[in-house]
Amino acid sequence: QKEVEQNSGPLSVPEGAIASLNCTYSDRGSQSFFWYRQYSGKSPELIMSIYSNGDKEDGRFTAQLNKASQYVSLLIRDSQPSDSATYLCAATMNRDDKIIFGKGTRLHILP
Amino acid sequence: KAGVTQTPRYLIKTRGQQVTLSCSPISGHRSVSWYQQTPGQGLQFLFEYFSETQRNKGNFPGRFSGRQFSNSRSEMNVSTLELGDSALYLCASSSPTRLGADTQYFGPGTRLTVL
Repeated sequence: QKEVEQNSGPLSVPEGAIASLNCTYSDRGSQSFFWYRQYSGKSPELIMSIYSNGDKEDGRFTAQLNKASQYVSLLIRDSQPSDSATYLCAATMNRDDKIIFGKGTRLHILP
Repeated sequence: KAGVTQTPRYLIKTRGQQVTLSCSPISGHRSVSWYQQTPGQGLQFLFEYFSETQRNKGNFPGRFSGRQFSNSRSEMNVSTLELGDSALYLCASSSPTRLGADTQYFGPGTRLTVL
């Protein structure tokens, strides 16, 4: 069974520090990876997608992918209280395959 | 461009009843996926429809079914409701990116409560 694993948290990070969120996946054939943010009572919204090994930066967010270790991470620099949310990691093999979501990591930014 | 819309937003039913939820995808998106989200299980995949055909299916009982219409709008139906069906039901539409993988955009969800 294909799985995406995340630490449920909560992960508490001081405001202004770097928040590091981690995710592992079981299917070595996975090709596409996504990070979603979900505020309490809201639906998930896409933050980043990554398809190749290495780092991908978008503003304060950096996604890192290591296919050999089957590991994806999300770094949030200069963390803000508004970053407090649950972060969902997701993976899929190809466009015709279903997307598998992790259960999410709750992030709490301490003012 | 309008986002994914779902109706109704809230629903209260009793055990044994059936329910139909509706989802209208982003214009131009042909794939619609449905998810069930509960505090304990997280986001669980129900099924995906693409061009009116079910393309993928999760591990849910046959009481959960869906369909997609020619305009890409989708409905999901749950028959013989059980207390455990109480959840947030999310619909997501997607369109392949140039890299070949679908990026999903979620609707606001339908909160179903079964009494």
